[in-house]
Amino acid sequence: DVKVTQSSRYLVKRTGEKVFLECVQDMDHENMFWYRQDPGLGLRLIYFSYDVKMKEKGDIPEGYSVSREKKERFSLILESASTNQTSMYLCASSDSGSFNYEQYFGPGTRLTVT
Amino acid sequence: KQEVTQIPAALSVPEGENLVLNCSFTDSAIYNLQWFRQDPGKGLTSLLLIQSSQREQTSGRLNASLDKSSGRSTLYIAASQPGDSATYLCAALEDSNYQLIWGAGTKLIIKP
Repeated sequence: DVKVTQSSRYLVKRTGEKVFLECVQDMDHENMFWYRQDPGLGLRLIYFSYDVKMKEKGDIPEGYSVSREKKERFSLILESASTNQTSMYLCASSDSGSFNYEQYFGPGTRLTVT
Repeated sequence: KQEVTQIPAALSVPEGENLVLNCSFTDSAIYNLQWFRQDPGKGLTSLLLIQSSQREQTSGRLNASLDKSSGRSTLYIAASQPGDSATYLCAALEDSNYQLIWGAGTKLIIKP
């Protein structure tokens, strides 16, 4: 079974702090994604990566950056956390070689910025 | 730009009923459509994936259909149980860039 893990289930940070959210997948997937989920807005893509050291902006990249130094790990960075970044953050991965591009999700990190 | 809509936003039915959740999309150029389940405060569990060339997929009490020409997908749940209570999300994978476009979800409550 594909396993996607996220470093924290719940996180509370203060405004202005630098925040790191870590995601690790164990299936050698090339593609990794970071989403945020807010009530009534659905999931929105923040950043994605098709390969090591490669990153692409999604729909809402402002205030975020990412890092992918190893194939299995994709980190989301909030350079200076703000209260409007309080949200559920979901990481996903998919296999470029699969015929259906199915994405597999981690359990999510609920981030609260105070 | 592709938009995915799920109606209703919330649904409450008695246990044992059969029910249908709806998902519509504006652009038929999709590679596939996926249905997910999300329990409160948790991540997403993939339920069914329908390729654009397929009409339906079944898994246990769940059946998902896809009609690209009308821009619609439905998720049919037979003999509903309280354990089916969750939010159900649909997402269309775009043909052009293989990115998922999400609906806002339907919150389903099954009353015992």
